[in-house]
Amino acid sequence: GAVVSQHPSRVICKSGTSVKIECRSLDFQATTMFWYRQFPKQSLMLMATSNEGSKATYEQGVEKDKFLINHASLTLSTLTVTSAHPEDSSFYICSARNEGNYGYTFGSGTRLTVV
Amino acid sequence: SQQGEEDPQALSIQEGENATMNCSYKTSINNLQWYRQNSGRGLVHLILIRSNEREKHSGRLRVTLDTSKKSSSLLITASRAADTASYFCATEDSWGKLQFGAGTQVVVTP
Repeated sequence: GAVVSQHPSRVICKSGTSVKIECRSLDFQATTMFWYRQFPKQSLMLMATSNEGSKATYEQGVEKDKFLINHASLTLSTLTVTSAHPEDSSFYICSARNEGNYGYTFGSGTRLTVV
Repeated sequence: SQQGEEDPQALSIQEGENATMNCSYKTSINNLQWYRQNSGRGLVHLILIRSNEREKHSGRLRVTLDTSKKSSSLLITASRAADTASYFCATEDSWGKLQFGAGTQVVVTP
Protein backbone atom coordinates (compact mmCIF):
# COMPACT_ATOMS: atom_id res chain seq x y z
CA GLY A 1 0.00 0.00 0.00
CA ALA A 2 0.90 3.66 -0.19
CA VAL A 3 3.41 4.76 2.41
CA VAL A 4 4.40 8.23 3.52
CA SER A 5 7.54 8.57 5.59
CA GLN A 6 7.83 11.56 7.90
CA HIS A 7 11.02 12.48 9.73
CA PRO A 8 11.98 13.17 12.37
CA SER A 9 9.34 11.62 14.61
CA ARG A 10 10.46 13.72 17.55
CA VAL A 11 12.61 16.81 17.77
CA ILE A 12 13.55 19.16 20.57
CA CYS A 13 15.06 22.48 19.64
CA LYS A 14 16.00 25.73 21.31
CA SER A 15 14.04 28.91 20.87
CA GLY A 16 15.21 30.89 17.89
CA THR A 17 16.47 27.94 15.90
CA SER A 18 14.91 26.42 12.80
CA VAL A 19 13.67 22.89 12.36
CA LYS A 20 13.06 21.02 9.12
CA ILE A 21 10.52 18.23 8.84
CA GLU A 22 10.52 15.94 5.83
CA CYS A 23 7.56 14.20 4.26
CA ARG A 24 8.35 11.61 1.64
CA SER A 25 6.02 9.44 -0.43
CA LEU A 26 7.82 6.13 -0.80
CA ASP A 27 5.95 4.24 -3.47
CA PHE A 28 3.90 6.80 -5.31
CA GLN A 29 4.21 10.27 -6.71
CA ALA A 30 2.41 13.09 -5.01
CA THR A 31 1.96 16.39 -6.77
CA THR A 32 0.10 17.64 -3.75
CA MET A 33 0.96 17.24 -0.10
CA PHE A 34 -0.64 18.79 2.94
CA TRP A 35 0.71 19.93 6.28
CA TYR A 36 -1.37 19.82 9.44
CA ARG A 37 -0.85 20.87 13.00
CA GLN A 38 -2.46 19.13 15.94
CA PHE A 39 -2.62 20.24 19.56
CA PRO A 40 -3.12 17.66 22.31
CA LYS A 41 -6.54 16.06 22.26
CA GLN A 42 -7.62 18.30 19.41
CA SER A 43 -8.29 17.87 15.74
CA LEU A 44 -5.97 18.44 12.82
CA MET A 45 -5.78 21.95 11.49
CA LEU A 46 -4.73 22.33 7.88
CA MET A 47 -1.78 24.69 7.64
CA ALA A 48 -0.91 24.65 3.98
CA THR A 49 -1.11 22.82 0.70
CA SER A 50 2.22 21.97 -0.83
CA ASN A 51 2.33 21.86 -4.62
CA GLU A 52 5.21 20.31 -6.51
CA GLY A 53 7.08 22.91 -8.48
CA SER A 54 5.11 25.89 -7.24
CA LYS A 55 4.49 27.92 -4.14
CA ALA A 56 2.57 26.49 -1.26
CA THR A 57 -0.91 27.72 -0.49
CA TYR A 58 -1.34 28.71 3.14
CA GLU A 59 -4.52 28.68 5.16
CA GLN A 60 -5.75 31.87 6.71
CA GLY A 61 -3.81 32.81 9.81
CA VAL A 62 -0.76 30.69 9.01
CA GLU A 63 2.44 32.71 8.64
CA LYS A 64 4.14 31.68 5.43
CA ASP A 65 7.45 33.25 6.48
CA LYS A 66 7.45 31.22 9.66
CA PHE A 67 6.40 27.92 8.17
CA LEU A 68 8.41 27.50 4.98
CA ILE A 69 7.26 24.77 2.67
CA ASN A 70 9.28 23.36 -0.20
CA HIS A 71 7.97 20.70 -2.57
CA ALA A 72 10.93 20.26 -4.87
CA SER A 73 10.11 16.82 -6.19
CA LEU A 74 7.14 14.55 -6.70
CA THR A 75 8.04 12.55 -3.61
CA LEU A 76 9.32 15.09 -1.11
CA SER A 77 7.87 18.05 0.73
CA THR A 78 9.57 19.79 3.62
CA LEU A 79 8.23 22.06 6.32
CA THR A 80 10.72 24.34 8.04
CA VAL A 81 9.67 26.03 11.25
CA THR A 82 11.83 29.14 11.36
CA SER A 83 12.85 30.99 14.50
CA ALA A 84 10.92 28.52 16.59
CA HIS A 85 9.24 29.60 19.80
CA PRO A 86 7.70 27.51 22.58
CA GLU A 87 4.22 28.22 21.20
CA ASP A 88 5.25 26.40 18.01
CA SER A 89 5.50 23.20 20.02
CA SER A 90 2.95 20.86 18.53
CA PHE A 91 2.39 17.67 16.56
CA TYR A 92 2.88 18.23 12.84
CA ILE A 93 1.50 15.74 10.33
CA CYS A 94 1.85 15.62 6.59
CA SER A 95 -0.28 13.81 4.07
CA ALA A 96 0.11 13.04 0.43
CA ARG A 97 -2.60 12.57 -2.09
CA ASN A 98 -2.24 9.43 -4.13
CA GLU A 99 -3.60 10.30 -7.54
CA GLY A 100 -3.75 6.64 -8.42
CA ASN A 101 -6.23 5.45 -5.80
CA TYR A 102 -7.87 8.73 -4.85
CA GLY A 103 -6.68 8.38 -1.30
CA TYR A 104 -4.73 10.34 1.22
CA THR A 105 -1.87 8.77 3.07
CA PHE A 106 -0.59 10.33 6.25
CA GLY A 107 2.86 10.41 7.72
CA SER A 108 3.36 9.25 11.29
CA GLY A 109 3.77 12.79 12.55
CA THR A 110 6.52 14.86 14.16
CA ARG A 111 6.39 15.92 17.77
CA LEU A 112 8.14 19.29 17.98
CA THR A 113 9.14 20.67 21.36
CA VAL A 114 10.71 24.11 21.52
CA VAL A 115 12.51 24.89 24.77
CA SER B 1 -10.80 26.10 9.88
CA GLN B 2 -12.52 23.06 11.27
CA GLN B 3 -15.35 21.72 9.19
CA GLY B 4 -17.13 19.20 11.26
CA GLU B 5 -18.54 18.62 14.64
CA GLU B 6 -18.39 15.15 16.04
CA ASP B 7 -20.28 13.53 18.80
CA PRO B 8 -19.77 12.11 21.20
CA GLN B 9 -16.42 13.61 22.09
CA ALA B 10 -15.61 10.49 24.03
CA LEU B 11 -17.04 7.00 24.09
CA SER B 12 -16.24 4.18 26.48
CA ILE B 13 -17.55 0.71 25.71
CA GLN B 14 -16.77 -2.91 26.41
CA GLU B 15 -15.43 -5.42 23.94
CA GLY B 16 -18.13 -6.88 21.78
CA GLU B 17 -20.34 -3.81 21.92
CA ASN B 18 -20.98 -1.54 18.97
CA ALA B 19 -19.58 1.97 18.82
CA THR B 20 -21.42 4.71 16.95
CA MET B 21 -20.14 8.19 16.35
CA ASN B 22 -21.59 11.03 14.33
CA CYS B 23 -20.18 13.84 12.28
CA SER B 24 -21.83 16.98 10.96
CA TYR B 25 -20.40 19.37 8.42
CA LYS B 26 -21.25 22.75 7.02
CA THR B 27 -20.36 23.09 3.36
CA SER B 28 -20.91 21.04 0.21
CA ILE B 29 -18.52 18.14 -0.21
CA ASN B 30 -17.12 15.76 -2.79
CA ASN B 31 -16.78 12.99 -0.28
CA LEU B 32 -16.47 12.30 3.41
CA GLN B 33 -13.76 10.16 4.91
CA TRP B 34 -13.20 8.56 8.28
CA TYR B 35 -9.78 8.19 9.84
CA ARG B 36 -8.39 6.57 12.91
CA GLN B 37 -5.52 7.87 15.01
CA ASN B 38 -3.74 6.01 17.75
CA SER B 39 -2.25 8.23 20.43
CA GLY B 40 0.70 10.24 19.13
CA ARG B 41 0.62 8.64 15.71
CA GLY B 42 -0.42 9.51 12.20
CA LEU B 43 -3.82 8.92 10.71
CA VAL B 44 -5.00 5.74 9.08
CA HIS B 45 -7.64 5.97 6.38
CA LEU B 46 -10.64 3.79 7.19
CA ILE B 47 -13.32 4.43 4.62
CA LEU B 48 -14.47 6.98 2.05
CA ILE B 49 -18.05 7.64 1.09
CA ARG B 50 -18.85 9.77 -1.91
CA SER B 51 -21.48 12.48 -1.88
CA ASN B 52 -23.80 10.40 -4.06
CA GLU B 53 -23.59 7.37 -1.78
CA ARG B 54 -25.74 6.80 1.28
CA GLU B 55 -24.12 3.81 2.95
CA LYS B 56 -20.89 1.90 2.74
CA HIS B 57 -19.43 -1.11 4.49
CA SER B 58 -15.89 -2.26 5.09
CA GLY B 59 -15.36 -5.20 7.39
CA ARG B 60 -16.74 -4.23 10.80
CA LEU B 61 -17.23 -0.64 9.70
CA ARG B 62 -20.45 0.86 8.44
CA VAL B 63 -20.67 4.45 7.31
CA THR B 64 -23.76 6.41 6.39
CA LEU B 65 -24.03 9.78 4.75
CA ASP B 66 -27.01 12.09 4.69
CA THR B 67 -26.20 15.08 2.51
CA SER B 68 -29.56 16.71 3.19
CA LYS B 69 -28.68 16.85 6.88
CA LYS B 70 -24.97 17.28 6.23
CA SER B 71 -24.18 14.44 8.57
CA SER B 72 -22.44 11.09 8.63
CA SER B 73 -22.14 8.26 11.09
CA LEU B 74 -19.52 5.60 11.67
CA LEU B 75 -20.51 2.33 13.28
CA ILE B 76 -17.90 -0.12 14.51
CA THR B 77 -19.48 -3.47 15.23
CA ALA B 78 -18.24 -6.06 17.72
CA SER B 79 -15.57 -3.73 19.03
CA ARG B 80 -12.20 -4.96 20.20
CA ALA B 81 -9.67 -3.49 22.61
CA ALA B 82 -7.47 -2.77 19.59
CA ASP B 83 -10.15 -0.39 18.30
CA THR B 84 -9.21 2.03 21.08
CA ALA B 85 -8.23 5.21 19.24
CA SER B 86 -9.49 8.60 18.17
CA TYR B 87 -11.72 8.67 15.13
CA PHE B 88 -12.03 11.67 12.85
CA CYS B 89 -14.32 12.46 9.99
CA ALA B 90 -12.94 14.62 7.21
CA THR B 91 -14.68 16.27 4.31
CA GLU B 92 -12.96 16.83 1.01
CA ASP B 93 -13.84 19.96 -0.88
CA SER B 94 -13.55 20.65 -4.59
CA TRP B 95 -9.96 21.84 -4.08
CA GLY B 96 -8.92 18.50 -2.64
CA LYS B 97 -8.50 19.86 0.86
CA LEU B 98 -9.48 17.78 3.85
CA GLN B 99 -11.12 19.50 6.78
CA PHE B 100 -11.31 17.44 9.92
CA GLY B 101 -13.94 17.16 12.58
CA ALA B 102 -13.17 17.45 16.26
CA GLY B 103 -12.85 13.71 16.70
CA THR B 104 -14.29 11.05 18.97
CA GLN B 105 -12.03 9.33 21.46
CA VAL B 106 -13.07 5.71 21.77
CA VAL B 107 -11.93 3.46 24.60
CA VAL B 108 -12.78 -0.23 24.41
CA THR B 109 -12.21 -2.14 27.60
CA PRO B 110 -11.66 -5.92 27.62
